[in-house]
Amino acid sequence: KAGVTQTPRYLIKTRGQQVTLSCSPISGHRSVSWYQQTPGQGLQFLFEYFSETQRNKGNFPGRFSGRQFSNSRSEMNVSTLELGDSALYLCASSEGQGRLSPLHFGNGTRLTVT
Amino acid sequence: DQQVKQNSPSLSVQEGRISILNCDYTNSMFDYFLWYKKYPAEGPTFLISISSIKDKNEDGRFTVFLNKSAKHLSLHIVPSQPGDSAVYFCAASGAVIQGAQKLVFGQGTRLTINP
Repeated sequence: KAGVTQTPRYLIKTRGQQVTLSCSPISGHRSVSWYQQTPGQGLQFLFEYFSETQRNKGNFPGRFSGRQFSNSRSEMNVSTLELGDSALYLCASSEGQGRLSPLHFGNGTRLTVT
Repeated sequence: DQQVKQNSPSLSVQEGRISILNCDYTNSMFDYFLWYKKYPAEGPTFLISISSIKDKNEDGRFTVFLNKSAKHLSLHIVPSQPGDSAVYFCAASGAVIQGAQKLVFGQGTRLTINP
């Protein structure tokens, strides 16, 4: 099975712009979660989608949004970019059955905001 | 508010010796803990987990110990190998509702195994 695919791998944007990141989960996985990784902060949970519905949400401002399509692919959008949004954004997919379903991470999208 | 803390940003261990990575948590509602390993330019990969009903879980060279009263867990790698050099993340989760799982991660510890 192909793993979790995230595109693009690298992005450079300017403050105030908006950006869309894409995630294709492992075939058959219905849950997609998004995490932000920054130095010194570890991975911070953004949100989780399951069958096109947001099932869980972290403590990020409303500028961060996401959606999931009927084929389980997911997109994450960040509007009005700030310098502090520079980070590695990781997507993880699972079968969505809680602890019976380990998370499988993609290689991430490195976003740099200048 | 960092609910899961890995206080050692880095650790250096000689090949063949034991590596011990530590993790502390503050939220008493956490009842499931995991360790992930991350190589540069790759996503984290699941290593081992432990439920709060246990105090030890072993998988090959990897053993996780949980001390609930101290809200502390540790990952032991014996013997350490050069391929173990990576960043290790500790993660925790609380009650799972309708399958939704939210992991809270620590900041990570960079482990370097020296030949």
